[in-house]
Amino acid sequence: DGGITQSPKYLFRKEGQNVTLSCEQNLNHDAMYWYRQDPGQGLRLIYYSQIVNDFQKGDIAEGYSVSREKKESFPLTVTSAQKNPTAFYLCASSRAGVRHNEQFFGPGTRLTVL
Amino acid sequence: ILNVEQSPQSLHVQEGDSTNFTCSFPSSNFYALHWYRWETAKSPEALFVMTLNGDEKKKGRISATLNTKEGYSYLYIKGSQPEDSATYLCAFLKNAGNMLTFGGGTRLMVKP
Repeated sequence: DGGITQSPKYLFRKEGQNVTLSCEQNLNHDAMYWYRQDPGQGLRLIYYSQIVNDFQKGDIAEGYSVSREKKESFPLTVTSAQKNPTAFYLCASSRAGVRHNEQFFGPGTRLTVL
Repeated sequence: ILNVEQSPQSLHVQEGDSTNFTCSFPSSNFYALHWYRWETAKSPEALFVMTLNGDEKKKGRISATLNTKEGYSYLYIKGSQPEDSATYLCAFLKNAGNMLTFGGGTRLMVKP
């Protein structure tokens, strides 16, 4: 089945540690996205990538980093510089641009920093 | 940061009721408007991608309209069923970019 996988589902880390969230898609989509959701708020864009080896900052990129070495993979690293990393993280992908193309979402990773 | 507002924040209806909710977005530099349904413990799923003023789209009992000149979209659910219970998200695309700005969502609960 085609889709997007994110692992792990739940992640616990100590404050000050970097942590990498995995996102893989087998939909052959060019574009991939990372969102963050906090209680009572909408999804906020962290980073996106429209093509391999290229990515752009979203609205809340500070304290995060990404890479796009393969079309199917877009890992997100939450660094120790992110002041409030505890949140629910969603990865998404789409065919090319989103003017006409819907986004497909993964199941999410809930990160808790202790 | 763009302002995309959804109202109401939450809504309780009885099975069989029809309901509607609103997504408001900036009326300038409109490029597209997306609607997604997000059921508990599942991933958000796309309902509609709308690009033209006056556009109306329908999927089963769910339909949506778009007014880009005044900056709003309505989502209608006819004869709500318990399986319609979910959070409905709209997302606005400005200009020719690829960054969707999401509203806070409307949480719909349908009582049997």
